[in-house]
Amino acid sequence: GAGVSQSPSNKVTEKGKDVELRCDPISGHTALYWYRQSLGQGLEFLIYFQGNSAPDKSGLPSDRFSAERTGGSVSTLTIQRTQQEDSAVYLCASSFQGLAGFGEQFFGPGTRLTVL
Amino acid sequence: AQTVTQSQPEMSVQEAETVTLSCTYDTSENNYYLFWYKQPPSRQMILVIRQEAYKQQNATENRFSVNFQKAAKSFSLKISDSQLGDTAMYFCAFMKHETGNQFYFGTGTSLTVIP
Repeated sequence: GAGVSQSPSNKVTEKGKDVELRCDPISGHTALYWYRQSLGQGLEFLIYFQGNSAPDKSGLPSDRFSAERTGGSVSTLTIQRTQQEDSAVYLCASSFQGLAGFGEQFFGPGTRLTVL
Repeated sequence: AQTVTQSQPEMSVQEAETVTLSCTYDTSENNYYLFWYKQPPSRQMILVIRQEAYKQQNATENRFSVNFQKAAKSFSLKISDSQLGDTAMYFCAFMKHETGNQFYFGTGTSLTVIP
């Protein structure tokens, strides 16, 4: 596609429910990132996928958070037993690794998650 | 560890005027990239400008230019002839050259362009 897409754009859920957020990166981009952005805050790194390597999960805030990337393309971020503090915008980004190293990240429009 | 600091949480500028957003970073690396991203109220993050640390020449992109001071670890963004559409959050970001996951963002500067 022309850019990174994310779905849904908005998600409202009840506390305790599980949610899945989807990211479609730019075709050919080997790296995929998930960030969380709380109201008025910067970007909090969650997880990073690069090709077939083991993902860097160092930013996941708790074991309720998990992510997978199937076939080196689409990624799903899952939050189990959601809490109100999980309310935030979840941003996905992808980038390409060339001979000169990694390029800039291209961001999706984000998913706004609201936990009631 | 690398850190990125944006010391101006909010700024405003009159339309058509020039404004400079500051960014400093801390790293022991010699080879890295620096970026400025813009996030309008629509929240889509857009790359504004990038700078390779090995390049001495400051990057420019139309009305946007940077003042890259490697020794001082400073990377400010200058917006000339500010337009209403420049109203957004601006994030400074640092990335190591070799590994794509070493990507650090500042806390952002909210810029408002006043008509």
